[in-house]
Amino acid sequence: QVQLQQSGPGLVKPSQTLSLTCAIFGDSVSRKSAAWNWFRQSPSRGLDWLGRTYYRSQWYDDYAASVRGRIIINADTSKNQFSLQLNSVTPEDTAVYYCAREDELGPRDAFDIWGQGTEVTVSS
Amino acid sequence: QSVLTQPPSASGTPGQRVTISCSGSNSNIGRNPVSWYQQFPGTAPQLLIYTNDQRPSGVPGRFSGSKSGTSASLAISGLQSEDEADYYCATWDDNLALFGGGTKLTVL
Repeated sequence: QVQLQQSGPGLVKPSQTLSLTCAIFGDSVSRKSAAWNWFRQSPSRGLDWLGRTYYRSQWYDDYAASVRGRIIINADTSKNQFSLQLNSVTPEDTAVYYCAREDELGPRDAFDIWGQGTEVTVSS
Repeated sequence: QSVLTQPPSASGTPGQRVTISCSGSNSNIGRNPVSWYQQFPGTAPQLLIYTNDQRPSGVPGRFSGSKSGTSASLAISGLQSEDEADYYCATWDDNLALFGGGTKLTVL
């Protein structure tokens, strides 16, 4: 049974970097038929996809226009996890952040396994 | 404001059939598969429908999805009190994922 376990601080100061990690259990971050995604959700912005990383003989990533230039999603194969870095945060980045898997061998073009969510507040 | 348009709310009585719409455009729903998610307060979204009308194992048969042109719909038949939740549609546009604004379903 695949599980995603999120970790990271719940409070980040304005202008600093938000960093979250999603550990993968029961699957591999470098599996060629999977992709690993980050989302956030707030009452004002709803549910937003932030981006993803995936391995297809080399690593690729895609990012939402709303955060492109501030975001990096990385995979760490030695720890079987992937991470989110969001730079220069403002209070508008306050949200619950989720990680999730896409699986081409399972429900295609959809997110079938989700992390538990991490509430992040941007405040001084 | 979300690119995919959903009604903010929907309601029904137990046993009724309820539908939730999701409207997009040629570049997103018109060309890509739609998925639907159910979310209860304080929990992560859960996949309900993928590739327009496919149900993952474990999802009851009273949940169904459809797509036509640039719109998609989620139907719930035989509505139950435990179906009270938020529902989100999602699709893709040029390799980027998009979500609807969500529909809060109330079971009266």
